[in-house]
Amino acid sequence: NAGVTQTPKFRVLKTGQSMTLLCAQDMNHEYMYWYRQDPGMGLRLIHYSVGEGTTAKGEVPDGYNVSRLKKQNFLLGLESAAPSQTSVYFCASTPRTSGRWETQYFGPGTRLLVL
Amino acid sequence: QKEVEQDPGPLSVPEGAIVSLNCTYSNSAFQYFMWYRQYSRKGPELLMYTYSSGNKEDGRFTAQVDKSSKYISLFIRDSQPSDSATYLCAMSRGSGYSTLTFGKGTMLLVSP
Repeated sequence: NAGVTQTPKFRVLKTGQSMTLLCAQDMNHEYMYWYRQDPGMGLRLIHYSVGEGTTAKGEVPDGYNVSRLKKQNFLLGLESAAPSQTSVYFCASTPRTSGRWETQYFGPGTRLLVL
Repeated sequence: QKEVEQDPGPLSVPEGAIVSLNCTYSNSAFQYFMWYRQYSRKGPELLMYTYSSGNKEDGRFTAQVDKSSKYISLFIRDSQPSDSATYLCAMSRGSGYSTLTFGKGTMLLVSP
């Protein structure tokens, strides 16, 4: 199992450009998440999905859109990038359980620099 | 006041020292408490989790939760240079897809 993978690993954008970050998991997990991590701010939830075709807003959703067309993929889009979106983006997934707690499994991250 | 407070450090200790990492929180609805370890330029990985109050031990690591004080701790005994990483506390209201609320993370440096 590759676990959770993220593409690309690093990207530089100019203000106003758009891009899509891809998260893929091969563990058949129901739930997937997108976080951003900034110095001094910790990990903050952007959007999450509880299943194929469903998405929900997290703590900091503005400026981002997401889609979950396939169970194994969760896409994060930036329509018009801003310097404030310079960050490290992490994707995570967790399986559906019947009341039993299960950890979130994180990908290696995508470093995004918006100039 | 942020929901979860964690001192960002850095915390520098010599090899073999006992390390204490802490978080405080304000939301009494949190039921699950986790510690994640994050090495430089890597994603976080679960170290330990605890449900409700109490202690949990795993090798050199001990997690403690005091819900009455809204305070959680992670102790590392006989610290090693390989323990040098950022430690993130996290909390959730429930299991399943219940979202996590993270602390800022504490950077730990263990010198040989």
